[in-house]
Amino acid sequence: GAGVSQSPSNKVTEKGKDVELRCDPISGHTALYWYRQSLGQGLEFLIYFQGNSAPDKSGLPSDRFSAERTGGSVSTLTIQRTQQEDSAVYLCASSLNGGVSSGELFFGEGSRLTVL
Amino acid sequence: GNSVTQMEGPVTLSEEAFLTINCTYTATGYPSLFWYVQYPGEGLQLLLKATKADDKGSNKGFEATYRKETTSFHLEKGSVQVSDSAVYFCALSLLTGGGNKLTFGTGTQLKVEL
Repeated sequence: GAGVSQSPSNKVTEKGKDVELRCDPISGHTALYWYRQSLGQGLEFLIYFQGNSAPDKSGLPSDRFSAERTGGSVSTLTIQRTQQEDSAVYLCASSLNGGVSSGELFFGEGSRLTVL
Repeated sequence: GNSVTQMEGPVTLSEEAFLTINCTYTATGYPSLFWYVQYPGEGLQLLLKATKADDKGSNKGFEATYRKETTSFHLEKGSVQVSDSAVYFCALSLLTGGGNKLTFGTGTQLKVEL
C-alpha cells in the first residue's frame, strides 16, 4: 500500500517476554520516527532515524528498548523483558526528508501492545 | 524544554456549533506549529500547520493562527459536523538534529452529535 504499515496491529504478551514491532514506511521516505501513545499521556517521542542511522534516541525509556532500521526502509522496535507499564500503542511515522521543517509526518495505525 | 498544552476533553458539541480547542506552547527558539487529527480506527494525519508568527493554517474549514505574543495556536471551526468527531493533537517542531521531531499535546477528543 501507499501508507505507513505497522505490524502486528495487536500484541498481547506476558510480562518478561520480548516483543518486536515492525514498521514499513512510505517508499522513498528517508526519515522514520517511533512514538508511544499511552492513555492520557499523549504521544511520546522514542527515536528518530535518518536513513539507517539514529541521530536521536533520546526518547527510549530504558535499555530494554532498542530499534534498528535496515536498507533505509523497514524498522523494528524491540522491547526486551516487557513490563506492564510498556502497554501502549506504538506509532511509527515517516517523512520525506527529516532535515527540513515541512513538519508533515505520515503515521501508521499503530501496534497496540498489552503486557499482562 | 519544549512542551504543548491543550485543553482536556472530551468536548461534546451539537452539529453546526462553533468549535475552539485551545493550545499553548513553550519552546526555545521559533517552532513550527501543527494540528493533527486522529479519526476513529485511523492513523494520525496532518490537519493544518503554520511555520511563522501570524501565519494562519487552514484546511477542511478548520483554522488556527500562530500567535507568538500569546504562544498560542488555537484550533477553530465555524460549524462542526458529525464527521469531525475525532481526537485532535496540537504539536510543535523545532528543526534540530532530531529532524522533524514533533512534541505533541495530550490530545482533545471531540464528539459532535446531531
